Amino acid sequence: DAKTTQPNSMESNEEEPVHLPCNHSTISGTDYIHWYRQLPSQGPEYVIHGLTSNVNNRMASLAIAEDRKSSTLILHRATLRDAAVYYCILSPGGGNKLTFGTGTQLKVEL
Amino acid sequence: NAGVTQTPKFQVLKTGQSMTLQCAQDMNHNSMYWYRQDPGMGLRLIYYSASEGTTDKGEVPNGYNVSRLNKREFSLRLESAAPSQTSVYFCASSGGQINSPLHFGNGTRLTVT
Repeated sequence: DAKTTQPNSMESNEEEPVHLPCNHSTISGTDYIHWYRQLPSQGPEYVIHGLTSNVNNRMASLAIAEDRKSSTLILHRATLRDAAVYYCILSPGGGNKLTFGTGTQLKVEL
Repeated sequence: NAGVTQTPKFQVLKTGQSMTLQCAQDMNHNSMYWYRQDPGMGLRLIYYSASEGTTDKGEVPNGYNVSRLNKREFSLRLESAAPSQTSVYFCASSGGQINSPLHFGNGTRLTVT
């Protein structure tokens, strides 16, 4: 299965946009890109997913590179409540057996 | 809606003891999952159930058994607990269709001494 690479940690200031990168250079044509986040002492929660086109929802935007070898999760205005571990996950064929890596710890400061 | 409910929230066991972690969902989801998360690591899939009446092994099934009791409930049993099973256990459910989001409970924190 293709793997993803994310920075261990990132910092942001409140009210500013945050761009969380993910590299997946060995992605296959049928792999969907999923993002989840895990708030402290909670289970992960779904954020967004996409295949080829950029996607927007109420939580975030997902920008997918034209060659699909990388993607970026965009939080338009970070708040303290967005401090969490963000996981970028590849889902072969959109299957639901997801493999979570170690993700990116996002710290948001005032 | 309660979503995914896990019990207990915390548990301490001695080596060799057994216990069952309970999970129930009220979203009428077909698929259910058990993951474990060790400190500083991602989640690893232990077992999953694609639909009522079926169960399959995930990445780390050794030392665990599961039961899909009905559509709502999916339990995880440790027959003889070991210190290596000290972890946080998460249950999740999904509709089972392509790209159905996983909905997670808040976890059971298990310590085996």
